[in-house]
Amino acid sequence: GAGVSQTPSNKVTEKGKYVELRCDPISGHTALYWYRQSLGQGPEFLIYFQGTGAADDSGLPNDRFFAVRPEGSVSTLKIQRTERGDSAVYLCASSLSGRVTGELFFGEGSRLTVL
Amino acid sequence: GQQVMQIPQYQHVQEGEDFTTYCNSSTTLSNIQWYKQRPGGHPVFLIQLVKSGEVKKQKRLTFQFGEAKKNSSLHITATQTTDVGTYFCAGREYNFNKFYFGSGTKLNVKP
Repeated sequence: GAGVSQTPSNKVTEKGKYVELRCDPISGHTALYWYRQSLGQGPEFLIYFQGTGAADDSGLPNDRFFAVRPEGSVSTLKIQRTERGDSAVYLCASSLSGRVTGELFFGEGSRLTVL
Repeated sequence: GQQVMQIPQYQHVQEGEDFTTYCNSSTTLSNIQWYKQRPGGHPVFLIQLVKSGEVKKQKRLTFQFGEAKKNSSLHITATQTTDVGTYFCAGREYNFNKFYFGSGTKLNVKP
């Protein structure tokens, strides 16, 4: 596709459930970022991939959060035992090369609501 | 850790007035980017500044990077209703590839 694609666009779940959010970056972009944005706030860094490996996962809030990018393209953010405080828009962004620090291309986001 | 502060939080202007948002980092930055997010949308890249004291212009928008590379500003001349949205700065430290976003300045332009 032409841009970063995220699915689902909306996810409503109950407290304690498991959730997966998917990101399909722009073809050829080796760098992939996950951010979380709460209402009225700026995007909060979660994790950064360069290729298949998580180069920096220092933003993951706790061990309930995990992300993978097994083939260096599509990434999945996994949240276990969801809590109400996890409710936010989860944004994925890709970049041509993380080292060159080019612009970040964001997807439309996945809005997660935990009841 | 690095913190990026942005002021003001909100700005309401009459169409045709100027607008400025300021970004301050607790640490020296390698580079800084600016993004615009329309209501209900996602952040869209505007520009990147790399050099100390750098000034870049895009039509009515002027971006500055401070001499110490710890602060930056975005100035819009003669705002238009199409400028409505939230403007974010995003700073990157040396030797790191992640960007820390400011809390944003929400601009409302009254016609």
